[in-house]
Amino acid sequence: EDQVTQSPEALRLQEGESSSLNCSYTVSGLRGLFWYRQDPGKGPEFLFTLYSAGEEKEKERLKATLTKKESFLHITAPKPEDSATYLCAVQERISGGYNKLIFGAGTRLAVHP
Amino acid sequence: GAVVSQHPSRVICKSGTSVKIECRSLDFQATTMFWYRQFPKQSLMLMATSNEGSKATYEQGVEKDKFLINHASLTLSTLTVTSAHPEDSSFYICSAPMSGRLQETQYFGPGTRLLVL
Repeated sequence: EDQVTQSPEALRLQEGESSSLNCSYTVSGLRGLFWYRQDPGKGPEFLFTLYSAGEEKEKERLKATLTKKESFLHITAPKPEDSATYLCAVQERISGGYNKLIFGAGTRLAVHP
Repeated sequence: GAVVSQHPSRVICKSGTSVKIECRSLDFQATTMFWYRQFPKQSLMLMATSNEGSKATYEQGVEKDKFLINHASLTLSTLTVTSAHPEDSSFYICSAPMSGRLQETQYFGPGTRLLVL
């Protein structure tokens, strides 16, 4: 059964204190791994898609990396506005069509000034 | 800017009534859309896959007669919660995949907060 596990469940950082969020996954054939940011009361905002082990993508203070078993979301010198829940989701490789995403429980990040 | 919209953003209704939620893809066509439900402090749970021109595919445990899905056009899917009860109160979110030359991305709508009294 496909599984996505995110850790830690919650993370509190001081402004400027870099850290990493983890997403470990079990899927028979990975089509893509997605990272989203979700603010309270809003829909998830797309951040990155990673497709193969060794791939890295960056956006401002965020960098996502992928291995065969896990993905990391690195946050460099975070600011209070980076506070949100970060969601990881995997998409299994199945022939034809669009495939559903399986989400992890998320990591709630709080960055304090 | 937003690529997927939802309407309404929040709705309060009485128990026993039906509520319709619209999900629209903006500036792109979506033959498939997805409907999720999210309870407080929990992650997104897929309810069903909406398919343009054919029946929706429901996840295990989701009642298809209670959550009616209609994919009326290539840019519109609707979710109707029939005979809503307080336990149906939740945050409902839709998504639509958009394929580019190099990748496929699923974009989410802003969500609809449903409160059933």
